[in-house]
Parts: sequence; structure tokens; C-alpha cells
Amino acid sequence: AQKVTQAQTEISVVEKEDVTLDCVYETRDTTYYLFWYKQPPSGELVFLIRRNSFDEQNEISGRYSWNFQKSTSSFNFTITASQVVDSAVYFCALLSRGESGAGSYQLTFGKGTKLSVIP
Amino acid sequence: EAQVTQNPRYLITVTGKKLTVTCSQNMNHEYMSWYRQDPGLGLRQIYYSMNVEVTDKGDVPEGYKVSRKEKRNFPLILESPSPNQTSLYFCASSLSGVNQPQHFGDGTRLSIL
Repeated sequence: AQKVTQAQTEISVVEKEDVTLDCVYETRDTTYYLFWYKQPPSGELVFLIRRNSFDEQNEISGRYSWNFQKSTSSFNFTITASQVVDSAVYFCALLSRGESGAGSYQLTFGKGTKLSVIP
Repeated sequence: EAQVTQNPRYLITVTGKKLTVTCSQNMNHEYMSWYRQDPGLGLRQIYYSMNVEVTDKGDVPEGYKVSRKEKRNFPLILESPSPNQTSLYFCASSLSGVNQPQHFGDGTRLSIL
């Protein structure tokens, strides 16, 4: 079965520090998608990035960067020079068809990492 | 403004009293989905719909029903709510499939006593 592991339940950093949120996934499907979502204290879920399994290029967007490595089944998220507004729960998610690679796609979320940025 | 609207935002009710949480999107999205979020469990998919009159079970469908009679609406129905359905619920939509970025509603916090 497909699985997403976010081993870090909670992380605290001091403002301006860099922080990396880990995401490890499992799937036997060869075509899959990975996502990161942010859930600030106000509760809404905000889409951050999508990656498909054929695109291993790392992505940078301002202070955010993502490192996708198929060899280690990881899709890690780094925030550079963290700010208080980055405090949120971050979810990694995997979209794939599970073990056989057949059937409908299912979206599986990790349990989330709560990031607290301390001023 | 493009949005996914859920109602109600908060509800406290009692076991066994049927309730419906509405979800509406104004983006002409084909794909819609319901999730529940519980502490320590992340988000789990309840039901999803690829298009009008097409619905399918997610990971935790027991105790829930959905319908998709119109493209914009995807209500979640709890026929006989129980305390273990106390949770934070999110509706989401995306343009043409679950591989597209999903737009989420603001959430509905349900408490079943």
C-alpha cells in the first residue's frame, strides 16, 4: 500500500534559521505525484507545490525549496531564513495507484509536521 | 473570487441526528473530494467525485454518504452521526483530477455528542 511518512511531528526554530521538513513516500507505481500543503493556525489548507515522478528537478520559490530524490523516495522541503509567518503545519501528500499500478489514483497525506518559528 | 465554500463552519449535534455539510465551488472544477482531519492522523479521504454522478470511496467512507447531482455541489451526509465522527472536515476541488492542485474550503468542525 502507498504510504507517506513525515517523521518530524514538531519542529521549533528561531527566526532566520533554515529548516528542512522531511517527507518519505512508498509506492510501487511508476507514475505518481507529490504535493506539499501548508496549514497555518487559521486552519485553511494552502497548496505549495506539485511534482510528478518524471520530474526530479529541484524547485526554488523565494525562500522555499524542494528536493525530490527518487533514489531515496524523498521529497524534502526547506525554508531558508524562516519567518514567524512560516509557523504552520505542513503536509506532504502522495498520489498514486498503489501496489499494482492499476486502478484509480488515491491521494494519501502524511500526518503533518508542525513548524513553530520563534521570534 | 475563486473559492470552495463549506457550510456550516461549526456544528455541535447529538448522536443519530442526520446532518448534511454542504460544499460548493465556483471554479467549474470536475474533481471534488471530502477529507477529515484528526490529531495525529493527518488528512484522510472520505469520498471523491470525478464528475457529475460519479462518486467513489476514499480511505474512510464508513458512516458517510455523498452525492454529485450538479458540478458545483458535493454535499457530505451523515445519516446517523456518532461521536467517532467528531472531526474537522475539508472539502476540496481541482480542475480535472486529483493530480491537479486542490483548492480547499475553510473547514467544518463537527462535534457529535
